Amino acid sequence: RKEVEQDPGPFNVPEGATVAFNCTYSNSASQSFFWYRQDCRKEPKLLMSVYSSGNEDGRFTAQLNRASQYISLLIRDSKLSDSATYLCVVNSLRSQGNLIFGKGTKLSVKP
Amino acid sequence: NAGVTQTPKFQVLKTGQSMTLQCAQDMNHEYMSWYRQDPGMGLRLIHYSVGAGITDQGEVPNGYNVSRSTTEDFPLRLLSAAPSQTSVYFCATGLAGGLDNEQFFGPGTRLTVL
Repeated sequence: RKEVEQDPGPFNVPEGATVAFNCTYSNSASQSFFWYRQDCRKEPKLLMSVYSSGNEDGRFTAQLNRASQYISLLIRDSKLSDSATYLCVVNSLRSQGNLIFGKGTKLSVKP
Repeated sequence: NAGVTQTPKFQVLKTGQSMTLQCAQDMNHEYMSWYRQDPGMGLRLIHYSVGAGITDQGEVPNGYNVSRSTTEDFPLRLLSAAPSQTSVYFCATGLAGGLDNEQFFGPGTRLTVL
């Protein structure tokens, strides 16, 4: 089993739609979880950290289920500007600063 | 503040050539790292450093060397370039240790090895 797995998509949705991405991780001892966003031919940027209690930032909601080793990202009221690749990220247990990236889920929001 | 800068933006090498990718940060971060990103593979860690004078190997270190003589700079050296090293290289920085620390990425270097 890969350390971090995501559905690669692409997800093609109309503006205003709600879309959800899922991610699973293999190591139950992982402690930090993130969603990064990467625009085409650009560097990844942190979208949000993911906490056990769940957290929300505007139209974005992240959830963590430790029992199932599952992370989700929900985007409500999709905008054209949300089109990007969303990377699920987990910290490495070998060194806490190191990150393990999923391959990313591509989202395309259409008018 | 420039944040994280990488040079060059693009580079074409011939097999066997050597070169150094530069990474500099003005964020006073202790932690710096290099990733490569290949289609269908995601980002993979090459080398990292938790502070000046300290470096360690990541997931795919073969064919690459690093050094960290200052907090600000973390160059990545390709000793003898191979076509398999054709990739996009990202440098990242963050606070050393601890959890939940955001990492900041440079704009990347696109390398082609012929």
